Amino acid sequence: RKEVEQDPGPFNVPEGATVAFNCTYSNSASQSFFWYRQDCRKEPKLLMSVYSSGNEDGRFTAQLNRASQYISLLIRDSKLSDSATYLCVVNMRTGANNLFFGTGTRLTVIP
Amino acid sequence: EAQVTQNPRYLITVTGKKLTVTCSQNMNHEYMSWYRQDPGLGLRQIYYSMNVEVTDKGDVPEGYKVSRKEKRNFPLILESPSPNQTSLYFCASRVSAGRDITDTQYFGPGTRLTVL
Repeated sequence: RKEVEQDPGPFNVPEGATVAFNCTYSNSASQSFFWYRQDCRKEPKLLMSVYSSGNEDGRFTAQLNRASQYISLLIRDSKLSDSATYLCVVNMRTGANNLFFGTGTRLTVIP
Repeated sequence: EAQVTQNPRYLITVTGKKLTVTCSQNMNHEYMSWYRQDPGLGLRQIYYSMNVEVTDKGDVPEGYKVSRKEKRNFPLILESPSPNQTSLYFCASRVSAGRDITDTQYFGPGTRLTVL
């Protein structure tokens, strides 16, 4: 079983739609959680951290469910510029604090 | 501008010819690491460094070497590249190896390596 699993998609949605991605992780002792965005052939960039109480940043909302070991990302009012691959990232280790990346969910927002 | 730089950005080489991919960050970060990204497998960590002269293996270290003689630089060395090392490589850095949930990891622009 992979440490971090995501539905690879692709998700093709019209502009203005709401779309949600889920991600599951295997290690219940995981410490911190993130969503990164990666544009085609570019480097990943932090989109948002995921806090236990859930957090929102404009049109983006992240949720964490520790009991079920999953993280979600909700994008409201999708824009063409939201088209990208979204990576779920989990810090699973103590000490070296290494990050485990999901394979990513590809989103295409259609005009 | 705060950034992580990598060179070269693109490289085509042949089996067995030693190569080095350089990585440099100007943010005085303690933690640096190398990843490779392959279709369907996502980002996998090759090596990481928690500080100068401190390096350790990640999940896929075979066939790679690293060094951390200076805080800003973390080169990736392929002593004898093979075709299965054809991949997209990213260097990354972070302030520290601490557990701050807001500690952002910054990535370099990537190096696309092809080994024939």
